[in-house]
Amino acid sequence: DGGITQSPKYLFRKEGQNVTLSCEQNLNHDAMYWYRQDPGQGLRLIYYSQIVNDFQKGDIAEGYSVSREKKESFPLTVTSAQKNPTAFYLCASSAARNTEAFFGQGTRLTVV
Amino acid sequence: QKEVEQNSGPLSVPEGAIASLNCTYSDRVSQSFFWYRQYSGKSPELIMSIYSNGDKEDGRFTAQLNKASQYVSLLIRDSQPSDSATYLCAVNKAGGGNKLTFGTGTQLKVEL
Repeated sequence: DGGITQSPKYLFRKEGQNVTLSCEQNLNHDAMYWYRQDPGQGLRLIYYSQIVNDFQKGDIAEGYSVSREKKESFPLTVTSAQKNPTAFYLCASSAARNTEAFFGQGTRLTVV
Repeated sequence: QKEVEQNSGPLSVPEGAIASLNCTYSDRVSQSFFWYRQYSGKSPELIMSIYSNGDKEDGRFTAQLNKASQYVSLLIRDSQPSDSATYLCAVNKAGGGNKLTFGTGTQLKVEL
């Protein structure tokens, strides 16, 4: 099946730990995105990438890092510098500029 | 001023009625506009995209775009209880690095 796969679905992080969220797509899309959603809020852009080995900061990049070594993969690391990481993280991809984006099923991260 | 604004709702409509969801955006150079539906605890699902002024119909859904007024709307005809969800408006700016900016969403409740 074509689509976007995020893993894990649920993730628990201890204070001071770095964690990495996985996002893989087999849609042959060039662009990939990471968004964060807090309860009752809209989506806020963390990072996005239009091509392999290139990515740009979104609106709330502090405390996060990404890599884009392969077209299919865009992992997000939530570092210990992110002081309030508990949220729903959504990965998306799109074929080209100004086209619609499709989302994975999300990862719910909780700090314990 | 927020880049993309939506009334948070909830918007309540009776089953079978027309639901009208509205969205305004601040940047005149925006070129692509999207409506996503998000059920509680799930990821957003694309339901409509619109790129030029006027109406675009797809089944029970109609998207309306007025670039002069910087306004995009979504009409849902014959509303069903299964339409109860949060509807997110998203806007893509030309030259904006292909990043989608989302509104905070409007919660729709379709009552029996």
